[in-house]
Amino acid sequence: SQKIEQNSEALNIQEGKTATLTCNYTNYSPAYLQWYRQDPGRGPVFLLLIRENEKEKRKERLKVTFDTTLKQSLFHITASQPADSATYLCALEGGGFKTIFGAGTRLFVKA
Amino acid sequence: DAGVIQSPRHEVTEMGQEVTLRCKPISGHDYLFWYRQTMMRGLELLIYFNNNVPIDDSGMPEDRFSAKMPNASFSTLKIQPSEPRDSAVYFCASTSRAKNVANTGELFFGEGSRLTVL
Repeated sequence: SQKIEQNSEALNIQEGKTATLTCNYTNYSPAYLQWYRQDPGRGPVFLLLIRENEKEKRKERLKVTFDTTLKQSLFHITASQPADSATYLCALEGGGFKTIFGAGTRLFVKA
Repeated sequence: DAGVIQSPRHEVTEMGQEVTLRCKPISGHDYLFWYRQTMMRGLELLIYFNNNVPIDDSGMPEDRFSAKMPNASFSTLKIQPSEPRDSAVYFCASTSRAKNVANTGELFFGEGSRLTVL
């Protein structure tokens, strides 16, 4: 069956360090993969999309990689700040524009 | 644009009661999605529409759940009868493939409806 896995354990890091979050998937061949941010009590907000033919995408302090052989995406936040504390969700297109989400990883950045 | 608007933001009801959740997508968006979020199961896709037509409802848990989109600016998700295990946050999201020049497939989410069934 199709699965998207994100580390269910929270990630705690010190301000200024790089946070790295992982998204693994099985039984998908997505044309693209997306990352969203979700704050408590709010809806998810889109951050970045990376296509299957792209190895890496950057946006300000964010970097996403996509390895279709390993079926894995890594999401990096460099020079992390306490304001980056949130839950980060990866999402795949499951065919026909159907968007499926992982459970998310909580990130805590300590000052 | 006001964004995706959901109502009610919070609903507390008793088991067996009918619950109706409402969503107004962003004007001009032709795709609408309903998701349910719980700690245990994360964000699950229930159903999605394209041009008001249901495309995939395979995520709808059972016959107690139904969703409609009578026009491009309104959708409802109904639970009848409701059960305690339906307690969750229900999100509506919309997007437009046609308008999305960059074709990012970005979903725009509402703030959710938190449902508690006692």
